[in-house]
Amino acid sequence: RKEVEQDPGPFNVPEGATVAFNCTYSNSASQSFFWYRQDCRKEPKLLMSVYSSGNEDGRFTAQLNRASQYISLLIRDSKLSDSATYLCVALYGGSQGNLIFGKGTKLSVKP
Amino acid sequence: NAGVTQTPKFQVLKTGQSMTLQCAQDMNHNSMYWYRQDPGMGLRLIYYSASEGTTDKGEVPNGYNVSRLNKREFSLRLESAAPSQTSVYFCASSDPLRGRDTQYFGPGTRLTVL
Repeated sequence: RKEVEQDPGPFNVPEGATVAFNCTYSNSASQSFFWYRQDCRKEPKLLMSVYSSGNEDGRFTAQLNRASQYISLLIRDSKLSDSATYLCVALYGGSQGNLIFGKGTKLSVKP
Repeated sequence: NAGVTQTPKFQVLKTGQSMTLQCAQDMNHNSMYWYRQDPGMGLRLIYYSASEGTTDKGEVPNGYNVSRLNKREFSLRLESAAPSQTSVYFCASSDPLRGRDTQYFGPGTRLTVL
């Protein structure tokens, strides 16, 4: 089975902290990667895609290292509202392939 | 624009009972999916439908059947429920312009099989 591995956490950080999550994937053929956010007892929602050159969206930065087969998500200036579980996701089989989800990393931001 | 909707939100079944989980999307997406999510496990794909009239097995299809009724609706059926099927079930659909990467999820159905 193709795997996506994440540290389950929980990560407990104070407001304003910078926190980084890493994720590794097993299949070097995977082409696309994503971070989804899932709030407690809610559905997953796309946070951001991760492309080869990396990308940034406000306080969030995603990086891809193909040589080491890992993806990272950096959250700067953490907010209470960032508390959630972050799912690392890989797309296998090209654009018409399927998504493989990691088990998620739980983040708790404290006042 | 409701996105992806699922019914019911909660369900309790006895072992051996059958039921159908309903899913509908109003985003004109071609592809639809059924996942299950268990504690300590990632989301796992049960079945998917790349387009109206087609369905394919995912990672964990045993014990389930699906029907792509039309472009909007994709149902999941448990013919004879087992305790191992206690889970949270999510339906999703994807934007055809981007392939399958951007998947939009419904709110989930929490199923307990006694």
